[in-house]
Amino acid sequence: AQTVTQSQPEMSVQEAETVTLSCTYDTSENNYYLFWYKQPPSRQMILVIRQEAYKQQNATENRFSVNFQKAAKSFSLKISDSQLGDTAMYFCAFMTSRGEYGNKLVFGAGTILRVKS
Amino acid sequence: DTGVSQDPRHKITKRGQNVTFRCDPISEHNRLYWYRQTLGQGPEFLTYFQNEAQLEKSRLLSDRFSAERPKGSFSTLEIQRTEQGDSAMYLCASSPSGGTVAKNIQYFGAGTRLSVL
Repeated sequence: AQTVTQSQPEMSVQEAETVTLSCTYDTSENNYYLFWYKQPPSRQMILVIRQEAYKQQNATENRFSVNFQKAAKSFSLKISDSQLGDTAMYFCAFMTSRGEYGNKLVFGAGTILRVKS
Repeated sequence: DTGVSQDPRHKITKRGQNVTFRCDPISEHNRLYWYRQTLGQGPEFLTYFQNEAQLEKSRLLSDRFSAERPKGSFSTLEIQRTEQGDSAMYLCASSPSGGTVAKNIQYFGAGTRLSVL
């Protein structure tokens, strides 16, 4: 069974600073996908960034980037130039890539990020 | 397209009552997922559909839970004889079927928050 661990229940960062959220996972699969989702207070969850395990290059989306270490089974999220709108719960999630059909996401417990002005 | 829609947003019920939630996925998506999220935790997979076929069910989905997607469009999740432990946010997500990468991105609705008194 796959598991996802987020060891930081809460983090805070000053506006315009950089913050890194940690995520580790456990799997025996070789091909899979990793995701970071953002869930603002009382709002729906949206995808921030995703990484395919077969790609060595770390994914980047504007101010968001990941540090994917496959051997260590680590997948951290770096947010640069933090903005007040980044305040949210952040979830790390894992999905296998086997089969033709859609697959379930396995989520970590989440990290609450607060951006302070 | 307005995204994944869930109704109602909030439901308060008394223990022992039946409740039904509805999810309308993004129109061209043929995969639909249900997750349950308890306070301070990450979402947990309940079940998913490929068109009208229910392909996987979690052990979390007891006999009191049933989900349908009769015409491969909207889906309903029914909980019979609700218990206080059923209090949670019920999230629906959908994903497209085309393309290797696209089919692995799930788009979430805002959820239905259930409170069982």
